[in-house]
Amino acid sequence: DADVTQTPRNRITKTGKRIMLECSQTKGHDRMYWYRQDPGLGLRLIYYSFDVKDINKGEISDGYSVSRQAQAKFSLSLESAIPNQTALYFCATSDFGGEPQHFGDGTRLSIL
Amino acid sequence: GESVGLHLPTLSVQEGDNSIINCAYSNSASDYFIWYKQESGKGPQFIIDIRSNMDKRQGQRVTVLLNKTVKHLSLQIAATQPGDSAVYFCAEKKPGGGNKLTFGTGTQLKVEL
Repeated sequence: DADVTQTPRNRITKTGKRIMLECSQTKGHDRMYWYRQDPGLGLRLIYYSFDVKDINKGEISDGYSVSRQAQAKFSLSLESAIPNQTALYFCATSDFGGEPQHFGDGTRLSIL
Repeated sequence: GESVGLHLPTLSVQEGDNSIINCAYSNSASDYFIWYKQESGKGPQFIIDIRSNMDKRQGQRVTVLLNKTVKHLSLQIAATQPGDSAVYFCAEKKPGGGNKLTFGTGTQLKVEL
């Protein structure tokens, strides 16, 4: 299902470029999250937001920023992309209780 | 289970057999655990979860077992089907950390016909 939609699905760009990944959800959830996935590593939390006015850093927030434009929209920006930010990026949502988190199908980002 | 480097542990099973996927978690105070399935090109899909006040929980064809003594979680899939082929990973939620989950690296399940 497309309850959590991520755009674009794939992106190739160059070092130093600014990139925005977008996430929108129709689940009506308050909480939204951004993760990155690298081969051989578990998902790692970049940023999370419990509501429109709440933004929190995760374990690997350096080099990233986020914006929660509305309850349904949470975007991730790389201000100046670098090659080691090449990864799969996932957005997730959860309701007020927090569990479980539901994921989008990801954005594959390659930085040359 | 956990893996080091780029290679995921792989479990190969015959179609129709039962599968058991294991996960060791890190924090004895973790109070919530969850299993996800991830197919190639897709995002993680929720399978089943369990709270620390339970030892076992059953869903449709899946069972999660929690052994807090040895900090071990397992996912059992009954009558494994080709559509079950995917990477499976567990996650734990530590108390006091909001809703932050700590994810394992996953196990590749391959179903042989």
